[in-house]
Amino acid sequence: QQQVKQSPQSLIVQKGGISIINCAYENTAFDYFPWYQQFPGKGPALLIAIRPDVSEKKEGRFTISFNKSAKQFSLHIMDSQPGDSATYFCAASIGGFNKFYFGSGTKLNVKP
Amino acid sequence: GAVVSQHPSWVICKSGTSVKIECRSLDFQATTMFWYRQFPKQSLMLMATSNEGSKATYEQGVEKDKFLINHASLTLSTLTVTSAHPEDSSFYICSAIAGQGYGYTFGSGTRLTVV
Repeated sequence: QQQVKQSPQSLIVQKGGISIINCAYENTAFDYFPWYQQFPGKGPALLIAIRPDVSEKKEGRFTISFNKSAKQFSLHIMDSQPGDSATYFCAASIGGFNKFYFGSGTKLNVKP
Repeated sequence: GAVVSQHPSWVICKSGTSVKIECRSLDFQATTMFWYRQFPKQSLMLMATSNEGSKATYEQGVEKDKFLINHASLTLSTLTVTSAHPEDSSFYICSAIAGQGYGYTFGSGTRLTVV
């Protein structure tokens, strides 16, 4: 059973637009939800993370929205840039220092 | 910030030989490191959890004797792919926890090609 489901699989956005990637989870014990950005041939890099005690967290152009009752969280990239073109993974864990369950990934392509 | 260094970044080896991949935490001590495998255009698959001074915990379906993990110090974990075969060709990534609440820091990955 996939613990974290991510959609869409791929996304094309025009420069300056908003990119939205969604994730849903099953285990209500999860309390740490990070997003990672991965460029081809590189390891993933932490982008932003949220804990369930807040509904939204913003860092620059990146925002996580969290809906605890629906067991869903999403990544919003405002003013998307070609340099944002990468694969994005959501994840969930208990405590933030235990086993991470990753989503299947979303390949974002921002058109100039 | 927390940095995890992984070497080599790419390696080509002949079928039947063994390959060692190193994962180092440069500016923090990591009692726990994780090893992932990633196939093209797919998500990260956790292979094993490496704990300093003790045996690694392998995920179901991962061959312990094929993927040897050693975590001999607080800053170094190694993954040895023994008797490598072409089907072992993949992108291997390590990660470590810098501290409670900091999440994972990933290494830059190792592209293994077995010919």
